[in-house]
Amino acid sequence: AQKITQTQPGMFVQEKEAVTLDCTYDTSDPSYGLFWYKQPSSGEMIFLIYQGSYDQQNATEGRYSLNFQKARKSANLVISASQLGDSAMYFCAMKRDSSYKLIFGSGTRLLVRP
Amino acid sequence: EAGVAQSPRYKIIEKRQSVAFWCNPISGHATLYWYQQILGQGPKLLIQFQNNGVVDDSQLPKDRFSAERLKGVDSTLKIQPAKLEDSAVYLCASSFLSLGQGVREQYFGPGTRLTVT
Repeated sequence: AQKITQTQPGMFVQEKEAVTLDCTYDTSDPSYGLFWYKQPSSGEMIFLIYQGSYDQQNATEGRYSLNFQKARKSANLVISASQLGDSAMYFCAMKRDSSYKLIFGSGTRLLVRP
Repeated sequence: EAGVAQSPRYKIIEKRQSVAFWCNPISGHATLYWYQQILGQGPKLLIQFQNNGVVDDSQLPKDRFSAERLKGVDSTLKIQPAKLEDSAVYLCASSFLSLGQGVREQYFGPGTRLTVT
């Protein structure tokens, strides 16, 4: 069975500093994708970044990068130069390539301090 | 491009009453998903449609929940009768066909916050 674990219920970071949000996953499938979503207090889920299991390079999207360590089954999100608007819940999710279903972790609440 | 639309945004009902939620996906997205997000948890998939056919409803409590997607566009999710534990945010999402490698992100609506008293 697939499972996503986010062990940090809450994190603080100072504005303009970098922060790493942890995500580990469990799957026996060789082909899968990993996603990070941001959920502000308004409720909508915003797609941030994607990493395929066969991708050789770590994914980057602007200030977001994904530290993908396949052997350790981890897919940590790194946010550089944190901004006040980054304060939100962050969810890691996984999808098997043979399925449409997205499995989410329990999330990490990030608070950026001015 | 218009995003995923949902209504209502908020709903308060008493237990044993019924309630319905509506979702309009992004134009051209064949796949539509309904998620339940209980406070403090990540979203959990309830049901997935491909056009107007059900692909996965394995986690839908079928004794009280039902969903339909007529004409492969709009969808409604119904709860009848509601229980206290149904209090949650119900999120609708849509995407293009999403098998295989490559980004096939799901686009989410703002959600409906349901409170059952």
